[in-house]
Amino acid sequence: GESVGLHLPTLSVQEGDNSIINCAYSNSASDYFIWYKQESGKGPQFIIDIRSNMDKRQGQRVTVLLNKTVKHLSLQIAATQPGDSAVYFCAEISGTGNQFYFGTGTSLTVIP
Amino acid sequence: NAGVTQTPKFRVLKTGQSMTLLCAQDMNHEYMYWYRQDPGMGLRLIHYSVGEGTTAKGEVPDGYNVSRLKKQNFLLGLESAAPSQTSVYFCASSYLGPQHFGDGTRLSIL
Repeated sequence: GESVGLHLPTLSVQEGDNSIINCAYSNSASDYFIWYKQESGKGPQFIIDIRSNMDKRQGQRVTVLLNKTVKHLSLQIAATQPGDSAVYFCAEISGTGNQFYFGTGTSLTVIP
Repeated sequence: NAGVTQTPKFRVLKTGQSMTLLCAQDMNHEYMYWYRQDPGMGLRLIHYSVGEGTTAKGEVPDGYNVSRLKKQNFLLGLESAAPSQTSVYFCASSYLGPQHFGDGTRLSIL
């Protein structure tokens, strides 16, 4: 099976600082990656995605970096706010393109 | 926009009872999925569907059945509930892009 994992289960940052959440994947054939945010009591919410033909993609206050050489994915959140406190998952898709594989998540806590 | 709607939001069952969880999406997505989420284990795929009238097994299908009679609906059934099926169940839909999730059904089996 696929293996999608996160380096750190928890992360605490000061409000206003930048946050970096990391993810490792094992299938070199994976060609689509997604970051999700999950708040307590809610379902995962799409943040940003990236395809394997790209190394970097930016959104509003978020940037995803993909390093295919070491099979590593990261999510950078600029000027972290209290509302960013949540669990963040990475997901990869490969093969026939309709099954996603999820990591266990990193819990981000923003300290006011 | 409703997106993906799951009903019910909470349910408590006794061992051996049966029930059906309903998922509805209004985005005209072809693909729909059922996951369970347990502490420390992430999302695990139970069953999925790539179109109306089709279903397929995921990673943890035992004890569950599904049906996709209409494109917008995906039903998850528990025939004889067991305590090991206590979990949070998420439905998702997608088509050529990220999955969109509902807010989950919290199911406890006593």
